[in-house]
Amino acid sequence: AIRMTQSPSSFSASTGDRVTITCRASQGISSYLAWYQQKPGKAPKLLIYAASTLQSGVPSRFSGSGSGTDFTLTISCLQSEDFATYYCQQYYSYLITFGQGTRLEIK
Amino acid sequence: QVQLQESGPGLVKPSQTLSLTCTVSGGSISSGSYYWSWIRQPAGKGLEWIGRIYTSGSTNYNPSLKSRVTISVDTSKNQFSLKLSSVTAADTAVYYCARDRPVASIFDYWGQGTLVTVSS
Repeated sequence: AIRMTQSPSSFSASTGDRVTITCRASQGISSYLAWYQQKPGKAPKLLIYAASTLQSGVPSRFSGSGSGTDFTLTISCLQSEDFATYYCQQYYSYLITFGQGTRLEIK
Repeated sequence: QVQLQESGPGLVKPSQTLSLTCTVSGGSISSGSYYWSWIRQPAGKGLEWIGRIYTSGSTNYNPSLKSRVTISVDTSKNQFSLKLSSVTAADTAVYYCARDRPVASIFDYWGQGTLVTVSS
C-alpha cells in the first residue's frame, strides 16, 4: 500500500495567516492526489483533486500543488471556518489511502 | 443535489456481522459511471477506505479487510450495502458511504456517517 505522510500533525495559526500543509507519498503518484477538510462530527469535504484542481464551490484561498511524491495544500488567508482537520488521499493505486491528518487549531 | 444516508444497527456484538445500507437520493445510483464506496474512521483517528462497488456489481476491496467484507448494490432501491463479518472492537468506527467519481477515485459526496460500536 502507498503510505501517505502529512506534516505537521497539528499546529496553531491565526485568522489571516497563510498556512501550508505537506503530504508525502511513499512512492510516486503523479498528480493523483486529493485534499479534504473535516470538521468535528462531520463528513470530510472534498477541496482539491488532481493535486491542484479546486472542487466547485471551494473558496479560492485554498490551493494545491505538487506531483510525484511531494504535495502541499496552502490556505492563503485563514478564515475562522478553516480551522479543521485536513487529509490528503492518493488514488494512483486502486488501494486508496489517506494521510493521517493535520489538525489546524486557532492560536 | 445527490445525498447519501447510512443506516443500520449502531451496536454489534463481537464475532457477529456488521450490516449497513447507504441510500442515495437526488439521482439514480446507476447514472453516470460512478463507483460507490465505504470508508470508516475510528474515533480520533484517520480515514480507512473499505471498498467500493460499481452498479454492474464489480467490486474492489481493501486487502486488509477483503476476507471479511462484502459490498452489494440494489439499483431498484437506489442503495448499496456493506457487510463486515467477524467483527471485533477494532471495527468500532464511524462508517461513511461516499460517491466515488469515475476515472479518479475521489469522493465528492458523502453520507453524514454512522457510528457502529462493537461490544458485548
